[in-house]
Amino acid sequence: KQEVTQIPAALSVPEGENLVLNCSFTDSAIYNLQWFRQDPGKGLTSLLLIQSSQREQTSGRLNASLDKSSGRSTLYIAASQPGDSATYLCAVSSGAGSYQLTFGKGTKLSVIP
Amino acid sequence: GAGVSQSPSNKVTEKGKDVELRCDPISGHTALYWYRQSLGQGLEFLIYFQGNSAPDKSGLPSDRFSAERTGGSVSTLTIQRTQQEDSAVYLCASSRQWGTEAFFGQGTRLTVV
Repeated sequence: KQEVTQIPAALSVPEGENLVLNCSFTDSAIYNLQWFRQDPGKGLTSLLLIQSSQREQTSGRLNASLDKSSGRSTLYIAASQPGDSATYLCAVSSGAGSYQLTFGKGTKLSVIP
Repeated sequence: GAGVSQSPSNKVTEKGKDVELRCDPISGHTALYWYRQSLGQGLEFLIYFQGNSAPDKSGLPSDRFSAERTGGSVSTLTIQRTQQEDSAVYLCASSRQWGTEAFFGQGTRLTVV
């Protein structure tokens, strides 16, 4: 059974810092990995999708990397802003008869002005 | 539509009553997911629909929960004889097909009193 872990559970940084969020998964046979953000009381917003054949994806100040063999992904946020404050979630699609996205519990990020 | 739409946004119901939650996926998306997010918990997979194929119901927590997807579009999640532990945010997501980027709605917050 696929399990996804995100460490740390919470992170507080001053505005302007670069930061890295971590995601690890137990079964490396994934199809893809997706990063989301969730603002309080809201749904999830898709940030980046990395296919299993890819090593990284970039969108603006965000860069996500994937090391499938070691079961890890990182989300790098450059020059953090207070508006980046949210909970960041990663999810994997494993395939092989399992259709669900398996989520980590998220990292709650606070960017202090 | 422009995004995944869920209704109602909030629902308060008495213990023992039945409730129906609705999800309108993005037009043309064949894959549809339901998840549940309890306070302070991660996202719990409930059910997955792909086109006209039989749904993956492996995440439904009990036989009080059921879901339909009519005409490959709108989906309804029904909870019969609601219990207090059913209180949660119910999230719906759709994607063009399995393995592509998933987009979430804003969720329905269900409170059972």
